[in-house]
Amino acid sequence: QVQLQQSGPGLVKPSQTLSLTCAISGDNVSSNSAAWNWIRQSPSRGLEWLGRTYHRSEWHSDYALSVKSRIRINPDTSKNQFSLQLNSVTPEDTAVYYCALTPRQWLVLGGVAEELYAFNMWGQGTMVTVSS
Amino acid sequence: DIQMTQSPSSVSASVGERVTITCRASQGISTWLAWYQQKPGKAPKLLIYAASSLQSGVPSRFRGRGSGTDFTLTINSLQPEDFATYYCQQANRFPLTFGGGTKVEIK
Repeated sequence: QVQLQQSGPGLVKPSQTLSLTCAISGDNVSSNSAAWNWIRQSPSRGLEWLGRTYHRSEWHSDYALSVKSRIRINPDTSKNQFSLQLNSVTPEDTAVYYCALTPRQWLVLGGVAEELYAFNMWGQGTMVTVSS
Repeated sequence: DIQMTQSPSSVSASVGERVTITCRASQGISTWLAWYQQKPGKAPKLLIYAASSLQSGVPSRFRGRGSGTDFTLTINSLQPEDFATYYCQQANRFPLTFGGGTKVEIK
């Protein structure tokens, strides 16, 4: 049973960097059968996928365009965890941040296989407030 | 981006009743759709993936249907623990996007 444990500060000053970590148990961050995601939730923006990192013979990252210039999601294989860094934060970045796992799942429709990205395990969430 | 629109935004129902929630995608997504349940102060929990496949451990009273742009989540015989907010998510095109949620409240 995979478990994700988040850690990081709940208060960040405007213009500074938001940093959160998600520790993995029951799986490996380097697994070729998983991707490791960050999602946030706020009353104004709802649930918003921010990005992911995953290993498929080499490391890859994908990011939402809305944060692409400010975000980094990095694996830490020595600690079996992954992290979120969001730079130059503003009060609009105030939200509950979640890490989440998408296992590698394929759907075959009409003879074509495509990957399905459903979040089947989530961290407990971290409320991050951006305020001076 | 694919926009996901849920309706209604809230619904009131009694224990034992059936509730149906609708989710519409702004473009066809075949059956690449997931449903989640979220309770206050908790992370969302995956209920259904691939539009109609029940996640392990989820009660069979939850049923997902649909393909293309129109999807439904039906909860048969509502139980007290089912009062929560439900979200759909398109699960194939990046950025992955969620619906705005449907809150199921006690009548």
